[in-house]
Amino acid sequence: AQSVAQPEDQVNVAEGNPLTVKCTYSVSGNPYLFWYVQYPNRGLQFLLKYITGDNLVKGSYGFEAEFNKSQTSFHLKKPSALVSDSALYFCAVSFQGGTGRRALTFGSGTRLQVQP
Amino acid sequence: NAGVTQTPKFQVLKTGQSMTLQCAQDMNHEYMSWYRQDPGMGLRLIHYSVGAGITDQGEVPNGYNVSRSTTEDFPLRLLSAAPSQTSVYFCASSYDGTGWYEQYFGPGTRLTVT
Repeated sequence: AQSVAQPEDQVNVAEGNPLTVKCTYSVSGNPYLFWYVQYPNRGLQFLLKYITGDNLVKGSYGFEAEFNKSQTSFHLKKPSALVSDSALYFCAVSFQGGTGRRALTFGSGTRLQVQP
Repeated sequence: NAGVTQTPKFQVLKTGQSMTLQCAQDMNHEYMSWYRQDPGMGLRLIHYSVGAGITDQGEVPNGYNVSRSTTEDFPLRLLSAAPSQTSVYFCASSYDGTGWYEQYFGPGTRLTVT
């Protein structure tokens, strides 16, 4: 079965410090991996994705993520956190369903709190 | 472009009532999907569609119906509302169903079933 795990419900970091939000996955075949962000009372917004190629992918707002096949991880990182980065972050993996069509499954989300 | 729009924004239903949540996109996307978001559970896929006339069940399809008669619209029908269906519902669309492309999300519908 396909699954995505975000082991931390909340991550706290001081403004200006580096941040990491963790994600591990379990999927058969080659994974397509995504990160989305949700601000209060809003829908999700796409941050970045890994499909193939370079293991380090760069996305919106200075975020990047590293795909690690041996550890089945896709951690989200940013070198210097901003207070405005405070939000709910979701990792997601695209998998092939029973009919052969692809669908997206999400992790449970990690709340990032950046303190001034 | 308006992107993905959802109506209504809020809805309160009594147990046993039925209703339709509307979703429309103006990006000519082939792929559309419905999710529900519950605290601590992330987003769970209800139904999805890879094109007009084609729909599939997701992780939690029971109690919901969908149809896709046009590329633009993908309504979600609650047949007989139950308190367990109290949730925030998001519609999303993507260029196609290959899984390569990111999804664009609507603003959500907050549904309460009493």
